[in-house]
Amino acid sequence: DGGITQSPKYLFRKEGQNVTLSCEQNLNHDAMYWYRQDPGQGLRLIYYSQIVNDFQKGDIAEGYSVSREKKESFPLTVTSAQKNPTAFYLCASSPRFKNIQYFGAGTRLSVL
Amino acid sequence: AQKVTQAQTEISVVEKEDVTLDCVYETRDTTYYLFWYKQPPSGELVFLIRRNSFDEQNEISGRYSWNFQKSTSSFNFTITASQVVDSAVYFCALSEAGAGGGADGLTFGKGTHLIIQP
Repeated sequence: DGGITQSPKYLFRKEGQNVTLSCEQNLNHDAMYWYRQDPGQGLRLIYYSQIVNDFQKGDIAEGYSVSREKKESFPLTVTSAQKNPTAFYLCASSPRFKNIQYFGAGTRLSVL
Repeated sequence: AQKVTQAQTEISVVEKEDVTLDCVYETRDTTYYLFWYKQPPSGELVFLIRRNSFDEQNEISGRYSWNFQKSTSSFNFTITASQVVDSAVYFCALSEAGAGGGADGLTFGKGTHLIIQP
């Protein structure tokens, strides 16, 4: 079954801790994205990557970091510098030249 | 800068009624793409439709239809004969072609929460 897998589904972060959210896709898509969703809000772009070993900041990149060492994987680290990390995080991928993003099921991050 | 406005925060209708969700966008690009996504309670976003700026033809897919009007910068979504399963949050989104060919990420509206009552 092809798709986008995000893990874990729920994640808790302690004060001062870095946590990493996983996003894996087996759709052979070139581009991958991370979005943050706050209650009653639309999604906001954190980071995106169009090819392996390259990524760009989105609108709210501060306090987050990413890597793209493999085409299938685009992990997001929420660092201790992100003072308000509680949100729903969605990962998406898109095939080259098609410009339609397909989303994973999301990770809900809370602060302890 | 690009912007998407969904002025309707929440809409509640009785099953079998028709309902229209409004979307107004702003962009300086002449080439851009418009999208609608559905977010059921499970949280995952489901792709519904993509329209490019050169194609103003309205589209119908079963009970769903979309009306794209460049003159008013609107891309409205109508559900005919609504059903309880249509209950969800619906997002309108925009991407500009730009240097990335439209692959630079989406700008979303805040969403419309649609409640279909039995």
